[in-house]
Amino acid sequence: GQNIDQPTEMTATEGAIVQINCTYQTSGFNGLFWYQQHAGEAPTFLSYNVLDGLEEKGRFSSFLSRSKGYSYLLLKELQMKDSASYLCAVLDSNYQLIWGAGTKLIIKP
Amino acid sequence: DAMVIQNPRYQVTQFGKPVTLSCSQTLNHNVMYWYQQKSSQAPKLLFHYYDKDFNNEADTPDNFQSRRPNTSFCFLDIRSPGLGDAAMYLCATSRPAGAGTDTQYFGPGTRLTVL
Repeated sequence: GQNIDQPTEMTATEGAIVQINCTYQTSGFNGLFWYQQHAGEAPTFLSYNVLDGLEEKGRFSSFLSRSKGYSYLLLKELQMKDSASYLCAVLDSNYQLIWGAGTKLIIKP
Repeated sequence: DAMVIQNPRYQVTQFGKPVTLSCSQTLNHNVMYWYQQKSSQAPKLLFHYYDKDFNNEADTPDNFQSRRPNTSFCFLDIRSPGLGDAAMYLCATSRPAGAGTDTQYFGPGTRLTVL
C-alpha cells in the first residue's frame, strides 16, 4: 500500500527554527508537495520538489531525497502566524496525490 | 484574481436531506477535484474530472455524486447525508498531469454540518 508518515504534532518557540519530516512509500514518484493549512481553512501550496536537494523560498525550505523516500520542511524565524498544520503529499505514478495526515505545529511565545 | 471559489462556506443540513455544494474556478484548469477532510485527517479524494472525463475513487460511497457542466463549474451532490458525512469539503483544480508541477489549488472549502 501507499503510505505517507509525518509526526502528528510539534511545538516550537517564536523566532526559532523547526524541521518537519515526511517519509513516503508510494507506487512511483512524480513529485512531493508541502501545503500549509490553518484551522478551518483550505490547504495552501508551499513547495514542490521533484529532484533531490534543497529548495529555498524565503523563510521556508524543502528538502527531498528520493533514494531514501524522505523530505523535510524547514521553517526559520518562526512567527505566531506559522501555527498551522503542514501536509506532505506525493504525486504517484498515476499522478494521484497521496496525502499525509499532517503535522500540527504549535508556536509558543 | 484567478481563483477557486466554493459556495456556501458553511452548510447545515438535516439527516437524509439532499445537499449540493458548488465550486467554480477562473484558473482555466482542466482538472477539478473534490476532497472530503475530517478533523486532523488527510484530505480524502472523492472524485476528479479531467475536462468532462469523470473519475470516481473506488471507495467513494454511492451517496456522493458529482457534475461538471462546463470547465468552470463543478458540483458535489450528497443524496442522503448521514452524521458521518459531516466534514470539510474541498474543491481543487490543477493543470493536466505532466503539464508542469501539477500543483493543486484549493478553494476555501465548505464546512458541512449534519443535524
